[in-house]
Amino acid sequence: ETGVTQTPRHLVMGMTNKKSLKCEQHLGHNAMYWYKQSAKKPLELMFVYSLEERVENNSVPSRFSPECPNSSHLFLHLHTLQPEDSALYLCASSQSKHTDTQYFGPGTRLTVL
Amino acid sequence: GDSVTQMEGPVTLSEEAFLTINCTYTATGYPSLFWYVQYPGEGLQLLLKATKADDKGSNKGFEATYRKETTSFHLEKGSVQVSDSAVYFCALIEMNYGGATNKLIFGTGTLLAVQP
Repeated sequence: ETGVTQTPRHLVMGMTNKKSLKCEQHLGHNAMYWYKQSAKKPLELMFVYSLEERVENNSVPSRFSPECPNSSHLFLHLHTLQPEDSALYLCASSQSKHTDTQYFGPGTRLTVL
Repeated sequence: GDSVTQMEGPVTLSEEAFLTINCTYTATGYPSLFWYVQYPGEGLQLLLKATKADDKGSNKGFEATYRKETTSFHLEKGSVQVSDSAVYFCALIEMNYGGATNKLIFGTGTLLAVQP
C-alpha cells in the first residue's frame, strides 16, 4: 500500500471513552503531522514529529495525546473529549520538517457525543 | 503573522466553464505556495505548487502563477468538469532553514460545484 493511510475512517465516541487514531505512511518520510479540520475554519496544525521526536505542540489540550513509536507510524490518543472536538483529523507526512510538500491521509471523521 | 485569504464559496459553474479561485497571501519572506484539493469524503491532495516568484504550477488542467507584486496565487482552469467538484485550499509555507519547523498555513477553502 502506498501513501498515507489512516484508521479508522469514522469514529463515534462518548465523552468518557478512550480511543486512538492511527496513521501510517509508506513514503519513507521523517516528519509526520496531525491536523484538525473543523467546518468553516482553516486547518489547524496540532502536532509535528520529526524523526520520532515531537517538535511542535500548538497549544493542544492534554485530552489529545500523540505518540510516534517510529518514523512510519503516528497515533493520536483521545480521552474525555468534548463535543466541540468533533472534526476531521488529518495526518500528513513530509520528507523532513524542513521540506515544503506534505502528503495527507484521508482523515478520520470523529464525532463526540 | 503569515496568512492566506481565499474567495468564499461556494462557486457554482456549468461544465466546460472557465474557473478562477482567488487567493492572496501575507508573508514576511519568500514562501512556497500550494493548492490542495479535497474531494468529498477524502483527505487533501496536493494539486500544484510554486516555489518562487513568476513560477507557474500546473496539474490536471489547473494552473496558478506566483505573483509576488500582487501577493497572489489564483487558481484557474479553462474548462471544468463535474469531477472537479471539490473543496480547494490555498496554502503557503515559509521556508525556514534553521532549526524551526516549516508550517503550512491554509486558507479556509473554497467549495466548487460543477453542474452538468
